[in-house]
Amino acid sequence: GAGVSQSPSNKVTEKGKDVELRCDPISGHTALYWYRQSLGQGLEFLIYFQGNSAPDKSGLPSDRFSAERTGGSVSTLTIQRTQQEDSAVYLCASSLARGLGGYTFGSGTRLTVV
Amino acid sequence: DQQVKQNSPSLSVQEGRISILNCDYTNSMFDYFLWYKKYPAEGPTFLISISSIKDKNEDGRFTVFLNKSAKHLSLHIVPSQPGDSAVYFCAASVNNAGNMLTFGGGTRLMVKP
Repeated sequence: GAGVSQSPSNKVTEKGKDVELRCDPISGHTALYWYRQSLGQGLEFLIYFQGNSAPDKSGLPSDRFSAERTGGSVSTLTIQRTQQEDSAVYLCASSLARGLGGYTFGSGTRLTVV
Repeated sequence: DQQVKQNSPSLSVQEGRISILNCDYTNSMFDYFLWYKKYPAEGPTFLISISSIKDKNEDGRFTVFLNKSAKHLSLHIVPSQPGDSAVYFCAASVNNAGNMLTFGGGTRLMVKP
């Protein structure tokens, strides 16, 4: 597609439920990233996929968080047993592996855990 | 350990004046730096970048300055416009690290008419 697409744009869930957030990167971009921005905070790195390499999961805050990227394209971020501190805007970005223009971000998914 | 820091969480500037947003980094391996702009309910968008082989890059009203010895970069916006009101993030990467960007915490710029 023309840009990075994320769905849903907003999600309200009850504490303890599981949620899945989806990201469709720009076609041809081999690198895909998940970040989150909590209220009043900066961009916190979560996970990074590069081609067929093993993902860099070093930013995932707990084992309740996982992500996969199927066929080198669409990615799903799953949060199990959501907690109130998981409330944030979850941003996905993609880039060419060796481009110097930085990332293209999606509009994000605003997750609210009540 | 925050490798990229934006020490001012907010900045207020009068329309027409200069806005200066600052960013400091600690990792001497960083050699490519970017600024992103974020409006509410939108993803960050790329604004301007600079390679470590330069100390200045200009694009219209936006200029980024890099001081490698001080590990400091700044974004100048002249003249500032109300539409520039947004959160600005600086980011840095090591070119050989597959474009992995490390972001600062952001500075909220408010340009008053």
